[in-house]
Amino acid sequence: DSGVTQTPKHLITATGQRVTLRCSPRSGDLSVYWYQQSLDQGLQFLIQYYNGEERAKGNILERFSAQQFPDLHSELNLSSLELGDSALFFCASSATSGSNSPLHFGNGTRSSVT
Amino acid sequence: GEDVEQSLFLSVREGDSSVINCTYTDSSSTYLYWYKQEPGAGLQLLTYIFSNMDMKQDQRLTVLLNKKDKHLSLRIADTQTGDSAIYFCAERVGRGSTLGRLYFGRGTQLTVWP
Repeated sequence: DSGVTQTPKHLITATGQRVTLRCSPRSGDLSVYWYQQSLDQGLQFLIQYYNGEERAKGNILERFSAQQFPDLHSELNLSSLELGDSALFFCASSATSGSNSPLHFGNGTRSSVT
Repeated sequence: GEDVEQSLFLSVREGDSSVINCTYTDSSSTYLYWYKQEPGAGLQLLTYIFSNMDMKQDQRLTVLLNKKDKHLSLRIADTQTGDSAIYFCAERVGRGSTLGRLYFGRGTQLTVWP
């Protein structure tokens, strides 16, 4: 068990809808990362937060947004869902942003858009 | 730090050694990681190596780093059927406060035959 908790495990949604994925980092970890895993794109970095502030942005669509709250949990919002958004979304956390505290991943949320 | 290459498949017999190879392009990579993903599960951190090291051993796992050729390998001794999974190589670039996200390869599917 990595200590990173993601809910829900699986989401089944219709196109055009909006969903929220939630991530609780390991106790004491300040940095949260979101990754999207799909068969054709592999593991794509979406966004990173550190202690509530956005630190880095990757290939995140404009229809997607995220935030990290004062209690350090993070949410990833996916809106106007399309069939191509079906993927596995991973959250990872690390202790800090500036030292080699490794990233620990949750078990992921599978988003299935029908 | 965006091109990490791995072969997609590797098959070995139980009890043999497995060697999974990875190449990366960013010479400023600071840390290199190996993660394991079993079906339906998240990414489990196996081991990592700092870029000024040549080798790291951890029980059945041996990581070799050739910084000149930007080549990383993971050797699993006495491979078991439970080692069947996808193995991801990842690099992390930057130093200090710029150290952040991981760049992943596409993963190597290891199949272990009894």
